[in-house]
Amino acid sequence: QKEVEQNSGPLSVPEGAIASLNCTYSDRGSQSFFWYRQYSGKSPELIMFIYSNGDKEDGRFTAQLNKASQYVSLLIRDSQPSDSATYLCAVNRDDKIIFGKGTRLHILP
Amino acid sequence: NAGVTQTPKFQVLKTGQSMTLQCAQDMNHNSMYWYRQDPGMGLRLIYYSASEGTTDKGEVPNGYNVSRLNKREFSLRLESAAPSQTSVYFCASRKGVEETQYFGPGTRLLVL
Repeated sequence: QKEVEQNSGPLSVPEGAIASLNCTYSDRGSQSFFWYRQYSGKSPELIMFIYSNGDKEDGRFTAQLNKASQYVSLLIRDSQPSDSATYLCAVNRDDKIIFGKGTRLHILP
Repeated sequence: NAGVTQTPKFQVLKTGQSMTLQCAQDMNHNSMYWYRQDPGMGLRLIYYSASEGTTDKGEVPNGYNVSRLNKREFSLRLESAAPSQTSVYFCASRKGVEETQYFGPGTRLLVL
């Protein structure tokens, strides 16, 4: 079992709708959690990070963390065509950071 | 402030050849990382260095060696390249634990 699991997609969402991306992890000692967006041929760029259980909102993005269930999610409200990309979940314990395989998101105009 | 830089941008090797991928950061970050990315596989951690003078294995270290030359530079060496090492290699750095990573532009490596 990979340490960080994501559904590879593609996830297709109509423009203006809410996109929901999910990630599970196996290491209960994980301390912090990151969501990155990656466009084809580009480097990953940080969208959000979260350390504590609950929700964290930043503009159209909300990260949700449930350490008991070992689950972290990213919600994107009012989805735009520019949100079409691969979304990578990353999990941190001490200095080690492990990524999931990523979920491809396609926003339908 | 260039951030994280990687050289070369693109390289073609023959099986059995060796090469070193270079990475440097000018943000005074303590931790540095090497990842490889293959289609549909996300980023897989090869090696990381929590601080100058220390290195640790990641998920896929076989066939690679690393050197943390100083605080700024972290190199990745392929001693005898294999076609399975064809990939895009990303270097990243961050200031400390629970800080976010910053990525370089990547190196595309093709091993024939």
